[in-house]
Amino acid sequence: EDKVVQSPLSLVVHEGDTVTLNCSYEVTNFRSLLWYKQEKKAPTFLFMLTSSGIEKKSGRLSSILDKKELFSILNITATQTGDSAVYLCAVATGLASSNTGKLIFGQGTTLQVKP
Amino acid sequence: KAGVTQTPRYLIKTRGQQVTLSCSPISGHRSVSWYQQTPGQGLQFLFEYFSETQRNKGNFPGRFSGRQFSNSRSEMNVSTLELGDSALYLCASSSPGLGGFWADTQYFGPGTRLTVL
Repeated sequence: EDKVVQSPLSLVVHEGDTVTLNCSYEVTNFRSLLWYKQEKKAPTFLFMLTSSGIEKKSGRLSSILDKKELFSILNITATQTGDSAVYLCAVATGLASSNTGKLIFGQGTTLQVKP
Repeated sequence: KAGVTQTPRYLIKTRGQQVTLSCSPISGHRSVSWYQQTPGQGLQFLFEYFSETQRNKGNFPGRFSGRQFSNSRSEMNVSTLELGDSALYLCASSSPGLGGFWADTQYFGPGTRLTVL
């Protein structure tokens, strides 16, 4: 059965700290790994990773994928209170030859950043 | 561009009733997927529609159904509601690649919060 596991499930840090969120997966027909941020509303897209070892960056957020060890990390540096949210890791699955697919989500990591 | 919109945002129903939720994708997006989010199970895939056809379905009972219209808007229906159907129902849209192939990056709407009493 396809599975995506995130750790830790929750995290409390202070502004300015750096955090690392983990995501491991076991799926058939892996296509890509995606990170989303959810703040009591629509999950918003952060990154999509398809290749191992290539870091993606957006401001203070960065992420990398290891397809050999089947995991990804999301780093947030110099955290701010506005970073408080649930961070969701999802794996897109589906045959490359197929015209459809789906996202399999982890449980999410709840990050609270205190002032 | 306007994002994915879902109506209604909140809904309260009683057991045994049925409910219809609506989703309008981002303009130009023709693939619509539905997900159920609960505290216990997290986000789970329900189904995906493209060009008015269901292309993929998750492991949910037949009480959960959906459809897509020619303008790409989609509805999902849940019949004979159970307490366990209480959840946030999220719709996501994407812009398929050449040939209508499913695109990995999904853009989510704010969801419909369904409470079953």
